[in-house]
Amino acid sequence: EVQLMQSGPEVKKPGESLKISCKGSGYSFTSYWIAWVRQMPGKGLEWMGIVYPSDSDIRYSPSFQGQVTISVDKSISTAYLQWSTLKASDTAVYYCARASTTYGVVTVWGQGTLVTVSS
Amino acid sequence: QSALTQPRSVSGSPGQSVTISCTGTSSDVGGYNYVSWYQQHPGKAPKVMIYDVSKRPSGVPDRFSGSKSGNTASLTISGLQAEDEADYFCCSYAGTSVLFGGGTKLTVL
Repeated sequence: EVQLMQSGPEVKKPGESLKISCKGSGYSFTSYWIAWVRQMPGKGLEWMGIVYPSDSDIRYSPSFQGQVTISVDKSISTAYLQWSTLKASDTAVYYCARASTTYGVVTVWGQGTLVTVSS
Repeated sequence: QSALTQPRSVSGSPGQSVTISCTGTSSDVGGYNYVSWYQQHPGKAPKVMIYDVSKRPSGVPDRFSGSKSGNTASLTISGLQAEDEADYFCCSYAGTSVLFGGGTKLTVL
């Protein structure tokens, strides 16, 4: 079964750093892109960026460029989303999702990671 | 880059048809045939219902259909069923990134 398993919920304080993960299984991890999508509480979906595990080609949405870091370790079939300095406005559910292309079609989703940033 | 524009809510009775619109620009919806639609039930991850404007993934009922005219894409759900009640998001490739619509809440009366 094709699955994306994300790391568990996080509660952090403003200014702290964080790295969440997304592990793929049941398919060739290096043959598909992994996208990250944000959903703030009660709000819509926002495309953050996408990475191709085979060669670590990373493409950020302009809105998220410089705000987060996307990375991948293909040896353990895991993609990451990282913040160096969290803000309260980073509170959201973050989804990873598998895509065949960079055109926005994602067919397999992780379960989501809730990140809560509060003092 | 701004989010694509969707109506906040639509409603319909079981068996009826509803259409959700998604308006963008010539730089996104109008410029590429890469519009997709996602269904999201509360507390769940989204699910793709339509991709490449009008293609349906396997397993998605043929009650769901997509189309595009100019800068506006549409999702039509015919023969509404109770389980169709959910949030629907359109999505379009925009050259340097991908844009989502703000979402439409579908209520089945």
